[in-house]
Amino acid sequence: DAGVIQSPRHEVTEMGQEVTLRCKPISGHNSLFWYRQTMMRGLELLIYFNNNVPIDDSGMPEDRFSAKMPNASFSTLKIQPSEPRDSAVYFCASSPKIAGVGETQYFGPGTRLLVL
Amino acid sequence: QQPVQSPQAVILREGEDAVINCSSSKALYSVHWYRQKHGEAPVFLMILLKGGEQKGHDKISASFNEKKQQSSLYLTASQLSYSGTYFCGTERYPGANNLFFGTGTRLTVIP
Repeated sequence: DAGVIQSPRHEVTEMGQEVTLRCKPISGHNSLFWYRQTMMRGLELLIYFNNNVPIDDSGMPEDRFSAKMPNASFSTLKIQPSEPRDSAVYFCASSPKIAGVGETQYFGPGTRLLVL
Repeated sequence: QQPVQSPQAVILREGEDAVINCSSSKALYSVHWYRQKHGEAPVFLMILLKGGEQKGHDKISASFNEKKQQSSLYLTASQLSYSGTYFCGTERYPGANNLFFGTGTRLTVIP
């Protein structure tokens, strides 16, 4: 299996621009997670989906952030407009859904975002 | 709901042992341990479930004290490859499906 795929791997943009991050989860996995990692705040959960449905988006910092999962094999995280404080590494992770059992999350390689 | 990890950083010589702790103020169902090397994604190490046994593979093992809402990761006879940042992720109930990650413990193993 190819694992979780994220694109782009690096993104440099200017403040005010729209940024779209993409994720392809592992085939057969029913849950998908978006995380943000910074030195100051560590690894933060932004939003997660079960069976393509957003379950908890309480971690999304503000309305500038939005996430979609139109089908089981693709998700996007969009920031519009971007700000310098959005600079971070964004990880996508997926996991199989097995009811009642702790589930391993498999992380993608991350997208390193720099907003100037 | 973010768990607290200690220590924040530790430096070991090859062959030495280390313990990393993860504590939560909330009742837990499971604790997940991950290791992240610089510039890479977190990689799963092991899961400990409520009522389960202590887990381990190779020279890395972990325990889960449900009453104390605490988990500990034990690294024995450390190797250079153990260097990285270790994160615990906590799950509050079965099927919660989302993890709250600690701030991480940076482990450096030197020759």
